[in-house]
Amino acid sequence: GNSVTQMEGPVTLSEEAFLTINCTYTATGYPSLFWYVQYPGEGLQLLLKATKADDKGSNKGFEATYRKETTSFHLEKGSVQVSDSAVYFCALSFLRNTGNQFYFGTGTSLTVIP
Amino acid sequence: NAGVTQTPKFQVLKTGQSMTLQCAQDMNHEYMSWYRQDPGMGLRLIHYSVGAGITDQGEVPNGYNVSRSTTEDFPLRLLSAAPSQTSVYFCASSPHQGITDTQYFGPGTRLTVL
Repeated sequence: GNSVTQMEGPVTLSEEAFLTINCTYTATGYPSLFWYVQYPGEGLQLLLKATKADDKGSNKGFEATYRKETTSFHLEKGSVQVSDSAVYFCALSFLRNTGNQFYFGTGTSLTVIP
Repeated sequence: NAGVTQTPKFQVLKTGQSMTLQCAQDMNHEYMSWYRQDPGMGLRLIHYSVGAGITDQGEVPNGYNVSRSTTEDFPLRLLSAAPSQTSVYFCASSPHQGITDTQYFGPGTRLTVL
């Protein structure tokens, strides 16, 4: 079946530290991969995405590369800020005959301290 | 554009009661979906719709009904609420049913079943 496994949290970092949140997936076929971010009390919003192998998604200093050989889509940022404190979800989208379905990881909570 | 709106924001029910969670989008999106978010479980797909009159089940459909009579609205019905349905519910929409499409999330409904 299809599934997403992401790094357990919570993660606490100091401002300007390097961030990596690991994400691996299991999927049949060729899914698209996403990172969503959820700020406290809000719904999820797209952070970045990659739709085929070796694509790199990037936004707001965050990056992730779609690695088919390792079935991974790790999220990285070179220098985190306090405003990056949120919960991050890795997700995949694949096509069924009745439409596409998303599978989400369990989320990784990030706290950045000044 | 208001985007994806959900009502109510909070709801408390007693076991056995019924209710409908409302979801509307004003972006003329084909695809709409409902998720529940539980601690340690991430988001799980309940039902989805690829257009008016077409719905299908996701990962956790039991205890929930949906219908899609218009492009804009996608209500989620709980016919007989159970404590196991205590959760935060998110509605999402995307322009089409393609696997590369971004999903846009509503702010969520926090439901407690006593």
